[in-house]
Amino acid sequence: GNSVTQMEGPVTLSEEAFLTINCTYTATGYPSLFWYVQYPGEGLQLLLKATKADDKGSNKGFEATYRKETTSFHLEKGSVQVSDSAVYFCALSDNTDKLIFGTGTRLQVFP
Amino acid sequence: GAVVSQHPSWVICKSGTSVKIECRSLDFQATTMFWYRQFPKQSLMLMATSNEGSKATYEQGVEKDKFLINHASLTLSTLTVTSAHPEDSSFYICSTKPGQGEYSPLHFGNGTRLTVT
Repeated sequence: GNSVTQMEGPVTLSEEAFLTINCTYTATGYPSLFWYVQYPGEGLQLLLKATKADDKGSNKGFEATYRKETTSFHLEKGSVQVSDSAVYFCALSDNTDKLIFGTGTRLQVFP
Repeated sequence: GAVVSQHPSWVICKSGTSVKIECRSLDFQATTMFWYRQFPKQSLMLMATSNEGSKATYEQGVEKDKFLINHASLTLSTLTVTSAHPEDSSFYICSTKPGQGEYSPLHFGNGTRLTVT
């Protein structure tokens, strides 16, 4: 069945460091891929998405490219801020509203 | 601000009792709501899809008689954990969206942490 694997955290970085959170997936067909973020005390929010191979999703300085050849959707940001501290979830859908999530990766950014 | 309100945010109950969790859409009507469960250090797992005015659709392995879902109005879905046991302790999250179509994003509640003693 479909599944998502993402790197375990926590990821601890200093402000302005480069961020990569790895995400790989297993799916039949052509799923849509998502990154969700959960800030402390809040619900999950959609950060970015990509719906087909080679698409790049971007938002708030974060980027992720849908790589079908490596079945990956790694999240990157060139310069993180303290306010980026949160839990990040990679997810896929088979183009319904049902999402399959990874385990989440906690990011901690220190000044 | 939040568009999906989930209540309570945390609850502690004794084994054998029932607990009701509410999920409300604040600014829109939601014909479909999704209930997820997350165990520590594990993924969010879809439990069921709640449809207004009809029976919920449960994912494989989820006991429908234990996790009762009621979606009686377009703005409220409830999940009742019946005869709760310690293994039901988990983080429960609802999500929904206004309207149909792939471009309508899902909104999530803040989650409910259930601890069964």
